[in-house]
Amino acid sequence: EIVLTQSPGTLSLSPGERATLSCRASQSVNSSYLAWYQQKPGQAPRLLIYAASNRATGIPDRFSGSGSGTDFTLTISRLEPEDFAVYSCQQYGSSPLTFGGGTKVEI
Amino acid sequence: EVQLLESGGGLVQPGGSLRLSCAASGFTFSSYAMSWVRQAPGKGLEWVSILSGIGGTTFYADSVKGRFTISRDNSKNTLFLQMNSLGVDDTAVYYCAKNPGYSTSRGYFEYWGQGALVTVSS
Repeated sequence: EIVLTQSPGTLSLSPGERATLSCRASQSVNSSYLAWYQQKPGQAPRLLIYAASNRATGIPDRFSGSGSGTDFTLTISRLEPEDFAVYSCQQYGSSPLTFGGGTKVEI
Repeated sequence: EVQLLESGGGLVQPGGSLRLSCAASGFTFSSYAMSWVRQAPGKGLEWVSILSGIGGTTFYADSVKGRFTISRDNSKNTLFLQMNSLGVDDTAVYYCAKNPGYSTSRGYFEYWGQGALVTVSS
């Protein structure tokens, strides 16, 4: 099983700042099959990024993903008020599908 | 517009059973793999199971294998999760999610339902 470790656990930033979130895998993720999700309190997760760097439909271009192998990054170039949420990474390169523990981006 | 609506959640005693349903609309249901993902209170996301478009291929997390069964009725655009031998560790919000392709190989989650709360308690 691939274990995903996200860091930091909490990121305290202000609107307009840049956010850099890390997701590290315990072994290489096949074909960069890594996704990122955003979740706000009381809501379902929303897909942001798939295949490490592809934005999902309707996702603003301030969100970008990068990385390969065992190290992946989600970057939010300029935080908007609605971006304060929990972000989770997920690998789908091998079974079982696994999620990271999440990074909370707070004001 | 893709819509996924879960139902069937509730309170159940340890050792009991529950069946979740997910009504899908806004896309050709039989053409896509579907999944269940759960989230225990205050915890992270945990994948539970995935089922291919026609229903021939299934995978389960080890934590539910042998107790949970995923299935679908493509004539009714509905996904199911039969949960047996429930334990307190199964308490969670259960989300139905649409995968981007027909097979189980594209295992990320494009769209999510609003979730159904399952509470296992005596």
